[in-house]
Amino acid sequence: KAGVTQTPRYLIKTRGQQVTLSCSPISGHRSVSWYQQTPGQGLQFLFEYFSETQRNKGNFPGRFSGRQFSNSRSEMNVSTLELGDSALYLCASSLGLGGSEGETQYFGPGTRLLVL
Amino acid sequence: GENVEQHPSTLSVQEGDSAVIKCTYSDSASNYFPWYKQELGKGPQLIIDIRSNVGEKKDQRIAVTLNKTAKHFSLHITETQPEDSAVYFCAATSGSRLTFGEGTQLTVNP
Repeated sequence: KAGVTQTPRYLIKTRGQQVTLSCSPISGHRSVSWYQQTPGQGLQFLFEYFSETQRNKGNFPGRFSGRQFSNSRSEMNVSTLELGDSALYLCASSLGLGGSEGETQYFGPGTRLLVL
Repeated sequence: GENVEQHPSTLSVQEGDSAVIKCTYSDSASNYFPWYKQELGKGPQLIIDIRSNVGEKKDQRIAVTLNKTAKHFSLHITETQPEDSAVYFCAATSGSRLTFGEGTQLTVNP
């Protein structure tokens, strides 16, 4: 079974621009979560989507948004890029059974975004 | 919200020795504790996980222990090999949101 795929793998943007990142989950997985990884802040939760609905959201400004399609693929968008948005953006997929049971999440390779 | 602390931040061992990484969490409702290994240029890879109804779990050279009363859990790697060198992250979750520790850079010297 193929793993989580993310495109593109690398991106260079300038301040003020916007960017869209894509994630395809493991086949059969219905939940997609996004995380930002930086040397200073570590791994931080952005948001989670399940059945095309945002189920959970972290403490990030409204410039960070996402969506999920009917085939479970997800995109995240960052508008008005700032230098501090430079990071590795990771997508993780899980079965998405819901409820309070902790769900095993499998990560993709990430998209490395550099904002100049 | 959940807060996860991880120690040590760096760990250097000789090949064949054991390595132990410890984490504490704050939310007593957390019920799932995965460990991830991240190699340079790659995403985190799940290596072992434990749920709150279990005290210990082992998979070959890797084991995890959980003490719910004290709110801490640990990763144990025995007979370390150079390919175990990587950054290791612990995490805790109740539901679908993972809160990660700050990571441990493990170096296994041949």
